[in-house]
Amino acid sequence: AQSVAQPEDQVNVAEGNPLTVKCTYSVSGNPYLFWYVQYPNRGLQFLLKYITGDNLVKGSYGFEAEFNKSQTSFHLKKPSALVSDSALYFCAVRDMDSNYQLIWGAGTKLIIKP
Amino acid sequence: DTGVSQDPRHKITKRGQNVTFRCDPISEHNRLYWYRQTLGQGPEFLTYFQNEAQLEKSRLLSDRFSAERPKGSFSTLEIQRTEQGDSAMYLCASSPSEAGNTGELFFGEGSRLTVL
Repeated sequence: AQSVAQPEDQVNVAEGNPLTVKCTYSVSGNPYLFWYVQYPNRGLQFLLKYITGDNLVKGSYGFEAEFNKSQTSFHLKKPSALVSDSALYFCAVRDMDSNYQLIWGAGTKLIIKP
Repeated sequence: DTGVSQDPRHKITKRGQNVTFRCDPISEHNRLYWYRQTLGQGPEFLTYFQNEAQLEKSRLLSDRFSAERPKGSFSTLEIQRTEQGDSAMYLCASSPSEAGNTGELFFGEGSRLTVL
C-alpha cells in the first residue's frame, strides 16, 4: 500500500538555526512528492514539489527539500529558521493508482522559538 | 481576494440534521477537490470534479455524502443525517488541469463541521 510517514509530531528549533522536517514514503514506481504548509486559521499552501530531475528542490519562503530515492525520503529543510515559519507542515505523495489523489502524512508541527 | 472560498466557515448542527457546504474555486480552475481533515491527521480525499463531471469518489464517501458541481464553477458538498463522526474540517481545493496532474492544489480555508 502507498503511504507517507512524518515520524515527528513536533519539531522545535531556535530562530536562526537550520531546520529539518522529515518525511518518508512508500510508493510503487517513481514518486511525485509535495510539501504543504498550514498556518493557523489559514488554508493549506503549496510549498514545493519533486517530480523528476534534481534531487534538491527549492520552494517558497526559502524552503527546500531533498529527494533521496535509496532512503525513500523527502525531508524539508531551511538554512535559517524564522519565528514566522511556525506552522503545520504536511508531506504528500501522489497516489499512483489514481490520477488525482494525494496521500498525506499526518503533519508535523514546527515551532520556532525566538 | 481571488482565492478559493468556502462557506460557511463553521457549522454546528445536531445529529441527524443535513448540512451543505459551498466552495467557489479560483475562476479559471477546472478541477475541484473535496478533502476531509480531522485533528492530528492529514487531509483525506473525498471526491474530485473536472468541470461538472465527478470523476472520482473515495470509498470514505458514504451514501450520506453527495457533491455536485452543476455548472462547472462552484461546488456543494451535502451531508445527510449527520453523525458525530462527521465532525471534521471539510477542505475544498482547485487547480488548473496542468497543475492538477502533478498535484499542486490551491486550498480554501475550510469549513469546520461540529455535530452535537
